[in-house]
Amino acid sequence: EVQLVQSGAEVKKPGESLKISCKGSGYTFTTYWIGWVRQVPGKGLEWMGIIYPGDSHTRYSPSLQGQVTISADKSTNTAYLQWSGLKASDTAMYYCARQGLRDAFDYWGQGTLVTVSS
Amino acid sequence: DIQMTQSPSSLSASVGDRVTITCRASHNITNYLSWYQQKPGKAPRLLIYGASSLQSGVPSRFRGSGSGTDFTLTISSLQPEDFATYYCQQSFSYSTARTFGQGTKVEIK
Repeated sequence: EVQLVQSGAEVKKPGESLKISCKGSGYTFTTYWIGWVRQVPGKGLEWMGIIYPGDSHTRYSPSLQGQVTISADKSTNTAYLQWSGLKASDTAMYYCARQGLRDAFDYWGQGTLVTVSS
Repeated sequence: DIQMTQSPSSLSASVGDRVTITCRASHNITNYLSWYQQKPGKAPRLLIYGASSLQSGVPSRFRGSGSGTDFTLTISSLQPEDFATYYCQQSFSYSTARTFGQGTKVEIK
């Protein structure tokens, strides 16, 4: 059974750094792109970027380039999303998802809620 | 970025109704179009990929159609568990964001 399990909720202060994780199981992790999707409370879905764990090739939304870093560790089947200086506007639910046929996101993690507040 | 425009943004319908949601892309995306269902407090769920292919396990009352710039999600007979928000997404872009539509909330009339 394909599963993506994300790390738990985080509460951080502005300017702090953070790295959240997404662990894949039940499939060959290195052969499917993994994406990250942001959802501000009460709002829609925003595509952030994707990574191919096989070679760590990464693509970002131009609006987020430089603001976050997507990485993967194929030895632990885990993808990561990290910030070096959080802002209050980063407060959101973050989902990881596997990219399948026709590049649709066919399996999703349960989400990680990130709250940034002073 | 390719812009995705869904309509309507919300609708009220009754159990058994036929419901249609449309999604328009600002550029030709061939059939790189997916539809997702999201219920409150839950992750999105893939319904349709490749504009018209039904994801495994999704009921056959969900149907996707269209190509190029105009796409449609149809629910043939609305069931109580279908009240949710629906999003389209294009996955045609290579170097720009693979954008989602703004969502369509399907509510109980």
